[in-house]
Amino acid sequence: QKEVEQNSGPLSVPEGAIASLNCTYSDRGSQSFFWYRQYSGKSPELIMFIYSNGDKEDGRFTAQLNKASQYVSLLIRDSQPSDSATYLCAVKTSGTYKYIFGTGTRLKVLA
Amino acid sequence: SAVISQKPSRDICQRGTSLTIQCQVDSQVTMMFWYRQQPGQSLTLIATANQGSEATYESGFVIDKFPISRPNLTFSTLTVSNMSPEDSSIYLCSVASGRRSTDTQYFGPGTRLTVL
Repeated sequence: QKEVEQNSGPLSVPEGAIASLNCTYSDRGSQSFFWYRQYSGKSPELIMFIYSNGDKEDGRFTAQLNKASQYVSLLIRDSQPSDSATYLCAVKTSGTYKYIFGTGTRLKVLA
Repeated sequence: SAVISQKPSRDICQRGTSLTIQCQVDSQVTMMFWYRQQPGQSLTLIATANQGSEATYESGFVIDKFPISRPNLTFSTLTVSNMSPEDSSIYLCSVASGRRSTDTQYFGPGTRLTVL
């Protein structure tokens, strides 16, 4: 069974620090990787996607993909209290249109 | 990205009744998806709704319980039939959109359902 694993947290970081969120996946055929942010009571909001090995930066967010080790991570620089949310990792496997979601990591940024 | 709306935003229903959730998109999209998110859990795909064909259901979900319509490229409905308290959940529709159109999914605001 294809799986996506995340530490449920909560991950607590002080304001201004770097938050590092990790995700591992089981299907080596996975092609596309996504990070969503979900505030309590709200729907998931796409933050970033990454397809190729290496780093991809967008503002304070950096996604890192290592297909050989089957992990994808999200770094949030200069963390703000408004970044406090659950972060969902999603993986789309090759030959399908379906996403497999991890259970999410709850991030708490302490002011 | 597409703008997605859902109706109702929330509802409280009695067991044994049915509720139809509507999902409207501001642009034409090929693929629409329906998810369920139970309290404290992640997202579980219920089915994929393509215009002009029957919905494709995931393991554990059946058409009799979750009938889906997709009459055009901007609209879909999900019905939760013969509800029980176990159906209490957030129901989300999403659409595949973007330059690689089958890759990126965007979510509607969700429908919070409570079954008494």
